[in-house]
Amino acid sequence: DQQVKQNSPSLSVQEGRISILNCDYTNSMFDYFLWYKKYPAEGPTFLISISSIKDKNEDGRFTVFLNKSAKHLSLHIVPSQPGDSAVYFCAASADSGYALNFGKGTSLLVTP
Amino acid sequence: DTGVSQNPRHKITKRGQNVTFRCDPISEHNRLYWYRQTLGQGPEFLTYFQNEAQLEKSRLLSDRFSAERPKGSFSTLEIQRTEQGDSAMYLCASSQGTGREKLFFGSGTQLSVL
Repeated sequence: DQQVKQNSPSLSVQEGRISILNCDYTNSMFDYFLWYKKYPAEGPTFLISISSIKDKNEDGRFTVFLNKSAKHLSLHIVPSQPGDSAVYFCAASADSGYALNFGKGTSLLVTP
Repeated sequence: DTGVSQNPRHKITKRGQNVTFRCDPISEHNRLYWYRQTLGQGPEFLTYFQNEAQLEKSRLLSDRFSAERPKGSFSTLEIQRTEQGDSAMYLCASSQGTGREKLFFGSGTQLSVL
């Protein structure tokens, strides 16, 4: 069963505008969340993370928001750039284990 | 820091053959992970090492799969009697620390079982 869900397989955004990628989770034990970016023929690269004690974390153009009651998190990219075009994976972990549980990914295309 | 290195990048094998992949983590990292990714899916956790000790294994890791990290440095993942369903990208990741630190992934080994 998929405990981390990314329901949008793809997203297209114009350069300069905001990209919003969404992620839902079902396991209430998850308390640490990460976003990874993946280019073709490369491994995933860490982007940003958030602990469940926070509801927002910001790093440059990237902001992650966490809504624990809704079991939902989102990644905002502002402004979007063509180099941001990649597959974005949401991942979550629980304190009781070492595994990261990944969603299926959202393919972002930023057009000039 | 040369990153996580995985070899080979691609492996084509016939059903029933054994294959072995190698992962060299970032040198100072004590934690090493194996994940598997199939088309259209996110990476799925297979197993985890802290130094040379294998501390966690997923149910996905059948008896045909075995992973080692003999000296707490590089790791190998062996698949015996490969099946077509084993075709996937096998990703290795490493991290350093005792907390919930981020993982650094290698570029993976793409396995195709014919």
